[in-house]
Amino acid sequence: KNQVEQSPQSLIILEGKNCTLQCNYTVSPFSNLRWYKQDTGRGPVSLTIMTFSENTKSNGRYTATLDADTKQSSLHITASQLSDSASYICVVSGGSSASKIIFGSGTRLSIRP
Amino acid sequence: GAVVSQHPSRVICKSGTSVKIECRSLDFQATTMFWYRQFPKKSLMLMATSNEGSKATYEQGVEKDKFLINHASLTLSTLTVTSAHPEDSSFYICSAIPAEPGNFFLYEQYFGPGTRLTVT
Repeated sequence: KNQVEQSPQSLIILEGKNCTLQCNYTVSPFSNLRWYKQDTGRGPVSLTIMTFSENTKSNGRYTATLDADTKQSSLHITASQLSDSASYICVVSGGSSASKIIFGSGTRLSIRP
Repeated sequence: GAVVSQHPSRVICKSGTSVKIECRSLDFQATTMFWYRQFPKKSLMLMATSNEGSKATYEQGVEKDKFLINHASLTLSTLTVTSAHPEDSSFYICSAIPAEPGNFFLYEQYFGPGTRLTVT
């Protein structure tokens, strides 16, 4: 069964600290993995997209990693800001019919001043 | 960048009435659009895939007669919630992909800002 699992479910850190969010998937065959940021009451916004051959991709203070062998991805946020408070969603595309887009349940990140 | 809009952003309707939500791709053509619903503190749940000029493909468990989808043009898809009930209250989000059908998962999804539906 194609699944995407994220951890932790929620996370609270102090402003200025770093954090890492995890995403494990069982989607096969794999096409790509995306990380989205969703502010409360808004639609998701893309942060990074990674294909099978990519190990690391950065977007400002966001750095995503992908290990296609272990089917794990992480999103590292450096020097967190209050505006980073949001849900972060891992989305994996692929599947047996090569046409599935599977969403993780998200990690709710709260940055405290 | 590609922009997707939704209208209205918030709507309150009475039980038994119908409400229409519009999803527009503002600066690109979208042959494929997706409709999601999201409950509080939960992730997006795909409801249906909307293809321009053809019938929508609904996910298992989604009533196609209750959630009517019309993708009449390359920039507009509408979701009509018919005979709304309080349990239909949710956050509805659309996304659009500037790609041909069949390979949509290779392309970026651009999400709309969402529509908050409250049924009283």
